[in-house]
Amino acid sequence: EPEVTQTPSHQVTQMGQEVILRCVPISNHLYFYWYRQILGQKVEFLVSFYNNEISEKSEIFDDQFSVERPDGSNFTLKIRSTKLEDSAMYFCASTEGGNALNSPLHFGNGTRLTVT
Amino acid sequence: AQSVTQLGSHVSVSEGALVLLRCNYSSSVPPYLFWYVQYPNQGLQLLLKYTSAATLVKGINGFEAEFKKSETSFHLTKPSAHMSDAAEYFCAVRGSSASKIIFGSGTRLSIRP
Repeated sequence: EPEVTQTPSHQVTQMGQEVILRCVPISNHLYFYWYRQILGQKVEFLVSFYNNEISEKSEIFDDQFSVERPDGSNFTLKIRSTKLEDSAMYFCASTEGGNALNSPLHFGNGTRLTVT
Repeated sequence: AQSVTQLGSHVSVSEGALVLLRCNYSSSVPPYLFWYVQYPNQGLQLLLKYTSAATLVKGINGFEAEFKKSETSFHLTKPSAHMSDAAEYFCAVRGSSASKIIFGSGTRLSIRP
């Protein structure tokens, strides 16, 4: 069964550094998402992406964050200058188009970002 | 705006006992509801989804959920718990937007031998 893949599984970075988290969504999917989960807390929506542009973003997704689909397969999340509070598990997800309202999101296994 | 509330951050049941995880939703439009499971150090896996075709929805691993509009609920049940069911369970809702889904705060299910 096709799946969403994320790399790396664990990223350690120093405060102030830039990080790029990578995702390969399911190939025929058209909607892409990033979520984050701070340890022990709920899964929070960051941003959704469709037709090569952001379709929705949360208040968490400030100017430090950006997303990109640089080619036909990858979907990336960049954090420009990491802060300690950015430490979390970041999940990429995708869903197919068409009747998208009842299409579930398919999640990757996540990238654990640790900012020191 | 859509939201879900999960009652009980931690539920513990004995192996073989009934599992009941509660979820109530708030939505100004007919909701699309989902249950996801997260095993330790893993991603989110879809258990089941409600899409208005039937109020009782069957999912994977013997789980099912019943949509009750009058109670704005979508509780998850399993008749007989298994040790392998120990995980975090998230209820989620999508409203009129074809975009994001919103997750509840999660319920950690523990199974006692």
